[in-house]
This record gives sequence, C-alpha cells and structure tokens, in this order.
Amino acid sequence: DAGVIQSPRHEVTEMGQEVTLRCKPISGHNSLFWYRQTMMRGLELLIYFNNNVPIDDSGMPEDRFSAKMPNASFSTLKIQPSEPRDSAVYFCASRVGPTNTEAFFGQGTRLTVV
Amino acid sequence: QQQVKQSPQSLIVQKGGISIINCAYENTAFDYFPWYQQFPGKGPALLIAIRPDVSEKKEGRFTISFNKSAKQFSLHIMDSQPGDSATYFCAASLVDAGTYKYIFGTGTRLKVLA
Repeated sequence: DAGVIQSPRHEVTEMGQEVTLRCKPISGHNSLFWYRQTMMRGLELLIYFNNNVPIDDSGMPEDRFSAKMPNASFSTLKIQPSEPRDSAVYFCASRVGPTNTEAFFGQGTRLTVV
Repeated sequence: QQQVKQSPQSLIVQKGGISIINCAYENTAFDYFPWYQQFPGKGPALLIAIRPDVSEKKEGRFTISFNKSAKQFSLHIMDSQPGDSATYFCAASLVDAGTYKYIFGTGTRLKVLA
C-alpha cells in the first residue's frame, strides 16, 4: 500500500479564495483524522470520521472550515474563504478503527495564504 | 481536561547523551499513550507506545516511563544520535463516540549535535 496520500503537497493561495485539501486513506482503514500543525499549537485535531461518518468536528476552528468523506477512500477539507491565519501544515491520518491501533499520517499539505 | 502538556519545547543534546521529553495529562479516561516522531517535510510516525497498566516500555534505545498516579509519562532516548534529530510528539488516546481519538502534545524539537 502507498500509505495515506494527500494532495496537493503545497498550496499557495490569496486571501478570500477557496482551498480544498484532499486525502486518500489506506485501504481498509475506517477511521480518518484531519490535523493542523503550527509552531505555536502543535498538532490540533480538527475533525475525525468513523466509517465515513463525522464523529467530532469540535476542533474545526470556524464555519469557514468544512470536511467531507463521501466514501471510504476519499476525504476533503475545505476552507472558504481562506485567511492568512489559516497558513499551516494540514495532515490527514487513517487507522483501522475503532480499536486503539497506530494512526498512519500522510505527508501533509503546506498551505500558505497570502 | 483533554489537554496533553509537553516539555521542553526544544532540546539540544550531545551525541551519546540522553534525551528526555516529558508529558502530563489530566483526564484519567486516557488509556493509551503513543509517541510519534516527525522528520522535516514528513508526517508523524509511531515510535513507541505504552498502556497505563505498565510503568515502563523499552524498544532499543527508546524507553517510555509511565507514572499513573502522577499522570505523567516521558520518553528517554539513550545514546542519542544525530539521526534522532526530529520533532517528537506525545499523545494520549481515549474512546469517543465509539472510536479512539488522539490528543497530541505541542511537540519537542530535538537536535543531537555530532
């Protein structure tokens, strides 16, 4: 398996634009997590899905952020409109859930909003 | 109550020395404590993990010490090597709505000098 695949790896966009980040989890994994990493706050859990259903989105910073998982092999994180303070590295992770097993991370998307 | 506090924020160690990173938590519902290692430009990857029914776990040069009564756990890297230079995250896991979610500490940037 190629692991968790995220795209794009880098995204530079202007303030106010819509940004969509994509994730393909490892086949057979049914828990998926979106994290945001910044120097100040480390890894923040934004939202997680179990069997394609959003379980907890309390970490989503505001209504500008939304996430979907239309099927077991694809998820998106959308920011509309984007702001400079959204600049961060966004990680997707998947796991064979709901057991307490290793979460596998993708390589991340570095988002810069100018 | 779902926070995990990690220290220090950064650490510089001489080659061959011992690196120690500490974490503390409040919520006694946490029942799994993994450590993740992250190299620049990569996603975090599981390094070692412990459950609260044991006080220590060792894998090669990496050891987790766990103090349940104090709600603290730490990572010890023996004989630290330049290749260990990375960011280390502690985490704690608990069941939420039928799945396990990880709460990460803010990370420690370790630099091992050659």
